[in-house]
Amino acid sequence: NAGVMQNPRHLVRRRGQEARLRCSPVKGHSHVYWYRQLPEEGLKFMVYLQKENIIDESGMPKERFSAEFPKEGPSILRIQQVVRGDSAAYFCASSPGQPVTEAFFGQGTRLTVV
Amino acid sequence: AQKITQTQPGMFVQEKEAVTLDCTYDTSDPSYGLFWYKQPSSGEMIFLIYQGSYDQQNATEGRYSLNFQKARKSANLVISASQLGDSAMYFCAMREGGGSARQLTFGSGTQLTVLP
Repeated sequence: NAGVMQNPRHLVRRRGQEARLRCSPVKGHSHVYWYRQLPEEGLKFMVYLQKENIIDESGMPKERFSAEFPKEGPSILRIQQVVRGDSAAYFCASSPGQPVTEAFFGQGTRLTVV
Repeated sequence: AQKITQTQPGMFVQEKEAVTLDCTYDTSDPSYGLFWYKQPSSGEMIFLIYQGSYDQQNATEGRYSLNFQKARKSANLVISASQLGDSAMYFCAMREGGGSARQLTFGSGTQLTVLP
C-alpha cells in the first residue's frame, strides 16, 4: 500500500464546522476511491473518481458530502456542517485502471466530531 | 443478502501454526475479484492477496494463500507459520464486474490473535 498519502491522519472538528480530507494516489494511478469505516465495522464505499470526473457516488450521503479529484493536486473529500455521526475513519484507495486487481489504501484520516 | 460474509468475528492461533480465515461471497456476475486486507491496530489497510474469478490457480503471496472454491463461493485466506505480527483484523472484499468494475464490497472482518 505504499504510495497513497492521506492527510491529516487525525482531524478534530466541532459540530457545524467543515472537514476537508486529502488523498494523493499512488503515482500513475488515475482511479481514486473513498471509503468510510465506522467503529467495529468494515469499510463502506462512498465515491469513485477519475481525474476531474465523479464516476460513481452511490455511497455518498446526499447532503453535506462532496468529493473532487482535480486535474492537478490531491483528491478532496469535503464534509460540511459535520455532526457527531460523521466521526469515523475515512480511507482513500487508488488503482491503476480497470478492472481493479489491486487497490492500495492510504493510512486513513480519523475524523472526530466533538 | 450479504455479498461478503465472514462468519468468524474472532480467531486465535498459536504462533508458527497455520490458520484459515473464512470468507463466502454472493454474486451472479461471472467476472469478479476477491481481495484480502489486513488492518493492524495502527489502522492502516494493507493489501494482501487478490484472486480473479477466471484464475485457474489459487493465488499465493509469501505466507498467504487464497483457497478459492468457486462452486462453493468461498475464498478463504490461509496464513502459514503464523507470527505475532499477524495479529490484526482481516477483511475479505469483492469487486463485481469486469471492465466496468467500480467499488470493493467488504465483509465485517475477522480479528486474528496470534498467541506466543
